[in-house]
Amino acid sequence: DAGVIQSPRHEVTEMGQEVTLRCKPISGHNSLFWYRQTMMRGLELLIYFNNNVPIDDSGMPEDRFSAKMPNASFSTLKIQPSEPRDSAVYFCASRDDRAVYADTQYFGPGTRLTVL
Amino acid sequence: GQNIDQPTEMTATEGAIVQINCTYQTSGFNGLFWYQQHAGEAPTFLSYNVLDGLEEKGRFSSFLSRSKGYSYLLLKELQMKDSASYLCAVKGGTNAGKSTFGDGTTLTVKP
Repeated sequence: DAGVIQSPRHEVTEMGQEVTLRCKPISGHNSLFWYRQTMMRGLELLIYFNNNVPIDDSGMPEDRFSAKMPNASFSTLKIQPSEPRDSAVYFCASRDDRAVYADTQYFGPGTRLTVL
Repeated sequence: GQNIDQPTEMTATEGAIVQINCTYQTSGFNGLFWYQQHAGEAPTFLSYNVLDGLEEKGRFSSFLSRSKGYSYLLLKELQMKDSASYLCAVKGGTNAGKSTFGDGTTLTVKP
């Protein structure tokens, strides 16, 4: 398996623009997570899906952030409008909750977002 | 909610042993994970504890005491490549499927 795939790997945009981050989880995994990591705040969970349904979105900063999972193999995180404080590395992770041992999360390579 | 504490930084010498501690407070507990993250890379899974005791995996071991809300990650025979951030994560709380990560411990291994 190719692991969790994220695109783009790097994104530089101007304040006010819409940003869409994409994630393809590991095939067969039924939970998907979006995280944001900054030096100041560490690794923060934004939202997680189970069987394509959002279970916990309490970490989504504000209405400018939205996430969707239209099917088991694709998810998007959208920021509209983007602001400089949104600059961070955004990780997507997936997990197989039905695994016998260690429902470990597998992280994608991340998208480094810079908002100017 | 959940509260996870681990030291910010540690330094150790190549070939030595280092122990990274993690304490947590949670309203519900479904497991504790350790992840390794090298600079500029994604976190990768190291270990998982759900019952009290020691789990050993090669040079890495992880210990859990649920009654004390305490875990440690033990790294033996340190190598330069072990220089990284080590994240403690607790699964549970108000949402059983959710994991909360600590801020990480940056380990520097010196020759």
